[in-house]
Amino acid sequence: QKEVEQNSGPLSVPEGAIASLNCTYSDRGSQSFFWYRQYSGKSPELIMSIYSNGDKEDGRFTAQLNKASQYVSLLIRDSQPSDSATYLCAVKDLTFGKGTMLLVSP
Amino acid sequence: DAGVIQSPRHEVTEMGQEVTLRCKPISGHNSLFWYRQTMMRGLELLIYFNNNVPIDDSGMPEDRFSAKMPNASFSTLKIQPSEPRDSAVYFCASTHINQPQHFGDGTRLSIL
Repeated sequence: QKEVEQNSGPLSVPEGAIASLNCTYSDRGSQSFFWYRQYSGKSPELIMSIYSNGDKEDGRFTAQLNKASQYVSLLIRDSQPSDSATYLCAVKDLTFGKGTMLLVSP
Repeated sequence: DAGVIQSPRHEVTEMGQEVTLRCKPISGHNSLFWYRQTMMRGLELLIYFNNNVPIDDSGMPEDRFSAKMPNASFSTLKIQPSEPRDSAVYFCASTHINQPQHFGDGTRLSIL
């Protein structure tokens, strides 16, 4: 069974710090990876996608992929209280991890 | 762009009753997904359709669950009979080829 694992958290960081969210997956043949943000009581929204090994940057967000280690991460620089949410890692946009709750304190 | 539209937003019903959840995907999207989200199990894919055809229903928990997509602009997820363990938030999402999924606001289902 294809699995995506995430630490449930909460991960607590102070405002302005770097938040690092991690995800591992079991299907070695996976080619596409996604990070979704979900605010409490809301639906998931896509914030990053990554398909190749290495880093992909978009504003304050950087996704990192290491297919050999079956590992994908999301870095949030200059964290803001508005970043407080649950972050879901998804493989092939079909299999989701249970999410990591991020809390950014002012 | 109206986004993915789900109805109802909330549903409370007694066990044994039939429940029907509805979804209107974004116009032009050719793939539609039904998910269930609970604290214990997270976000689980139940079934997805490509061009109105069910592709993978391996996530449908049991025969009490059924889904249809009679046309490109409408899908239903039906639970009959419903049980308390079906209580969850059910999301519908749609996408076009190589595009990210767009989620609806979800239906919060409570089975008493």
